[in-house]
Amino acid sequence: DAGVTQSPTHLIKTRGQHVTLRCSPISGHKSVSWYQQVLGQGPQFIFQYYEKEERGRGNFPDRFSARQFPNYSSELNVNALLLGDSALYLCASSLGGQSNQPQHFGDGTRLSIL
Amino acid sequence: AQRVTQPEKLLSVFKGAPVELKCNYSYSGSPELFWYVQYSRQRLQLLLRHISRESIKGFTADLNKGETSFHLKKPFAQEEDSAMYYCALNSGSGYALNFGKGTSLLVTP
Repeated sequence: DAGVTQSPTHLIKTRGQHVTLRCSPISGHKSVSWYQQVLGQGPQFIFQYYEKEERGRGNFPDRFSARQFPNYSSELNVNALLLGDSALYLCASSLGGQSNQPQHFGDGTRLSIL
Repeated sequence: AQRVTQPEKLLSVFKGAPVELKCNYSYSGSPELFWYVQYSRQRLQLLLRHISRESIKGFTADLNKGETSFHLKKPFAQEEDSAMYYCALNSGSGYALNFGKGTSLLVTP
């Protein structure tokens, strides 16, 4: 099992552009969460999807959106990119949506905004 | 509001010495608490969770609801324990892990 896979690994964009990040969960996992990690901070929750429905959203602007597909993979979209969006974006999957189930993380996508 | 505090940004100990990484949380309900670890050039991975009451790689953590703490302990640190450690809280809603800022542990020979 390859674990959670994310693509691309690195991405460079300019202000105002939009970006799509992709995540494939561990086989059998139905829940996908997205986190943003800026340098020197812990990951910050953006979204969780379970069975293709949004279950929770963190304190992020509407420029951030996501969706989950029938195969449980997920995309995170960010519009009108700002310099402050530069960060490592992590995807995590878990079997279901219960709070005591561990989340398994991917390597992340490093997004740089110029 | 939920909050996780890891007061030490960096902790340096000698090999064989005891180590304790501190984690305090604020949450009025019954939290689910986790420790995640990130070794150099590796992905973030689960180390242990309070519900399991297990010892992983010699590490243990006890939930103290009175002190709202979930400190990570190991009696004898090893060089391979050098890594970034994050304490995380799940409020029970199921969907969000709240992470602390992390503590970088350096074990020197």
